[in-house]
Amino acid sequence: GAGVSQSPSNKVTEKGKDVELRCDPISGHTALYWYRQSLGQGLEFLIYFQGNSAPDKSGLPSDRFSAERTGGSVSTLTIQRTQQEDSAVYLCASSRKYDQETQYFGPGTRLLVL
Amino acid sequence: AQSVSQHNHHVILSEAASLELGCNYSYGGTVNLFWYVQYPGQHLQLLLKYFSGDPLVKGIKGFEAEFIKSKFSFNLRKPSVQWSDTAEYFCAVNAGSTGFQKLVFGTGTRLLVSP
Repeated sequence: GAGVSQSPSNKVTEKGKDVELRCDPISGHTALYWYRQSLGQGLEFLIYFQGNSAPDKSGLPSDRFSAERTGGSVSTLTIQRTQQEDSAVYLCASSRKYDQETQYFGPGTRLLVL
Repeated sequence: AQSVSQHNHHVILSEAASLELGCNYSYGGTVNLFWYVQYPGQHLQLLLKYFSGDPLVKGIKGFEAEFIKSKFSFNLRKPSVQWSDTAEYFCAVNAGSTGFQKLVFGTGTRLLVSP
């Protein structure tokens, strides 16, 4: 079946601009996660959505970062007033309700802030 | 601080050599352990996972990992690597203490297998 998809694949933006990154989880997966992979570092948890529950935003690095999930499916990660240190690969993952521990990852969006 | 450590950042092997990649974590209590692999140009894929039971778990492509609770380790092994195993390997943990929703990753090990 179809996996997690993300768009765009690559995004180049200027410092100070806002960007939106999109994630389509696997159909039927109720949990959705965003991670960030910065150059030379591991993957860093950003935010977690589960059904209609309030999201766990504990990993968001600053208030410039926000995410929403509409209709329990598609999610958008928004970065406002981008900074050069926001340059990274942003990964989305999803998991089934009864196997939340196993996450399936999308291809990522490579963001470059000039 | 709770963390996952992968001690080898880069590993170079010849085909047919044996592989062992180290992974240590610092969480107490119940943990789930994972190895993910990222082949060049591809996205992260689950290689294997341990939740409970037999501490020796087998994954895809001939990989296996052993959970040693006393050592807080979950090392990845393969008896004979192939050129196609060239990839980056990530160890990851989610723990009851931080909420099973959050995967915490190590920094990864880049494996290069020469033909």
